[in-house]
Amino acid sequence: GAVVSQHPSWVICKSGTSVKIECRSLDFQATTMFWYRQFPKQSLMLMATSNEGSKATYEQGVEKDKFLINHASLTLSTLTVTSAHPEDSSFYICSAPNFDHEQFFGPGTRLTVL
Amino acid sequence: TQLLEQSPQFLSIQEGENLTVYCNSSSVFSSLQWYRQEPGEGPVLLVTVVTGGEVKKLKRLTFQFGDARKDSSLHITAAQPGDTGLYLCAGGFGYALNFGKGTSLLVTP
Repeated sequence: GAVVSQHPSWVICKSGTSVKIECRSLDFQATTMFWYRQFPKQSLMLMATSNEGSKATYEQGVEKDKFLINHASLTLSTLTVTSAHPEDSSFYICSAPNFDHEQFFGPGTRLTVL
Repeated sequence: TQLLEQSPQFLSIQEGENLTVYCNSSSVFSSLQWYRQEPGEGPVLLVTVVTGGEVKKLKRLTFQFGDARKDSSLHITAAQPGDTGLYLCAGGFGYALNFGKGTSLLVTP
């Protein structure tokens, strides 16, 4: 099956710093990728749709300037959490669909902001 | 507004018991997917159902898509501790997915 990787798997940072999370599709190309965040014992909430070669589409309530998304190539999307604060601490997960619209998820990145 | 309602939210059963998880919506989906997620990991796709009335089996797991493509169920026969996890249903509109809140299943020996 399709494999999606994320890096880093976990990160701890100080309040006010920026953190970049990478999402890669390893054995297939993805013109679209999705970014989710998940709080403990809750479901996944879609944050934004990352589009290769164009601007990302953000869900209502998600700050574009805080969560910068860049879809640099057909296999890489990055999410940068700018000026992170403790309330941004969460589990961030990306996904990429195959041609059958089945979503394959990365292993997630645990962000802790002190 | 949650497009997909899952029930129950939490389920704790003993090994060997059967269970059913439901996923309901007022919307019609082009496809519906079931995932299982373990703590600290990303969701893993279990199955995709596309056709109304479709039934798919994956070992002890049976998935059914409603005739109207608005609801689905997941039935696990003779649950095992390894089935423990968060089960998520997700309805698709093209590439985008809407997730239910999930059913947290605990199977004790």
